[in-house]
Amino acid sequence: AQSVAQPEDQVNVAEGNPLTVKCTYSVSGNPYLFWYVQYPNRGLQFLLKYITGDNLVKGSYGFEAEFNKSQTSFHLKKPSALVSDSALYFCAVKSAGNMLTFGGGTRLMVKP
Amino acid sequence: DVKVTQSSRYLVKRTGEKVFLECVQDMDHENMFWYRQDPGLGLRLIYFSYDVKMKEKGDIPEGYSVSREKKERFSLILESASTNQTSMYLCASLYVRDSNYGYTFGSGTRLTVV
Repeated sequence: AQSVAQPEDQVNVAEGNPLTVKCTYSVSGNPYLFWYVQYPNRGLQFLLKYITGDNLVKGSYGFEAEFNKSQTSFHLKKPSALVSDSALYFCAVKSAGNMLTFGGGTRLMVKP
Repeated sequence: DVKVTQSSRYLVKRTGEKVFLECVQDMDHENMFWYRQDPGLGLRLIYFSYDVKMKEKGDIPEGYSVSREKKERFSLILESASTNQTSMYLCASLYVRDSNYGYTFGSGTRLTVV
């Protein structure tokens, strides 16, 4: 069965510093991986995805993620954090039947 | 852009009531999903549908049912609401083109059962 783990409930970073939000996955076959962001009382907004191709994926709002097959990881990164990046971030993997299996979410807090 | 609309942002219902959560998408997508979101648990799949009148159980279908009479509309039904169904409910639709996948989520319905 597919699964996604986000080992950190919360990540704290100072504005201007680089940020990393971690994600590891378990899936049979080739993984289709996604990152979403959620602002308070809102739905999920798509950030980026890996289907195939380059291991470094660039997405919205300056975010990027690196697919590492040997470590089964898909960490989300940004070179310079903004206070407005503070939100809840979800990693997900496409399962059989086109379903998305989500991690538990990581709250990112960027402090001025 | 695809738009997924959930009819209510906030709902308060009483225990035992029958509750309908509506979701409409405007891009003729075949696949639609209902998730519930709870702190620390992420999003968990309740039901999904891959075509009109077709439905499949997800990971946590107990206490819920769904209806898909038209392609654009996917309804989640709480047959008899209970307090443990207080949650954020998110609807999503999916397009698939040439092995490319795109999921679009609605803004969510925060349901409180009292």
